[in-house]
Amino acid sequence: AQSVAQPEDQVNVAEGNPLTVKCTYSVSGNPYLFWYVQYPNRGLQFLLKYITGDNLVKGSYGFEAEFNKSQTSFHLKKPSALVSDSALYFCAVRDDSSASKIIFGSGTRLSIRP
Amino acid sequence: DGGITQSPKYLFRKEGQNVTLSCEQNLNHDAMYWYRQDPGQGLRLIYYSQIVNDFQKGDIAEGYSVSREKKESFPLTVTSAQKNPTAFYLCASTDRNRNSPLHFGNGTRLTVT
Repeated sequence: AQSVAQPEDQVNVAEGNPLTVKCTYSVSGNPYLFWYVQYPNRGLQFLLKYITGDNLVKGSYGFEAEFNKSQTSFHLKKPSALVSDSALYFCAVRDDSSASKIIFGSGTRLSIRP
Repeated sequence: DGGITQSPKYLFRKEGQNVTLSCEQNLNHDAMYWYRQDPGQGLRLIYYSQIVNDFQKGDIAEGYSVSREKKESFPLTVTSAQKNPTAFYLCASTDRNRNSPLHFGNGTRLTVT
């Protein structure tokens, strides 16, 4: 069965500094990995997804994610944080064995201070 | 504009009553999902459906039921057997490509007193 972990409930970063939101996963086959962002009282918005063969993928709003197969990680990154990046971020995974089942991490609240 | 519509946005019910949450999509997606969101617990999968007239239990299906009579619609019924029904419920859909992301509705906040 697949699983995904986001070890940090909250990440605090000063505006202009780089940010990293961590995600590790466990799947029985090939991983299909995604990052989403959620603003208060709204649904989730897609940010980016892992593309096979690309260890660094770029997505919306200047975000990117680094895939590491040996560490089974897919960390979300941004070189320079903005206050408007403050939101709840979720990592999600689906795998080959049950491709329709999509599992989410517990979420990481990102807080960017001016 | 294509998208997913969840209604109502806020729903209040008395304990012991069943309640049905609506989810409609016009994206022509085959697969649809229901998730429950509680503070600090992220999203937990309730039910999902890959095709009309077929659906599977997720990780927390007890106390919930669904139907998929039409491709566009995937209503969720929260029954009186659900012990802690107060939560934020999110509906999502995607196509058959495993690399395709989910598209989410804006959620229904259910409060049961």
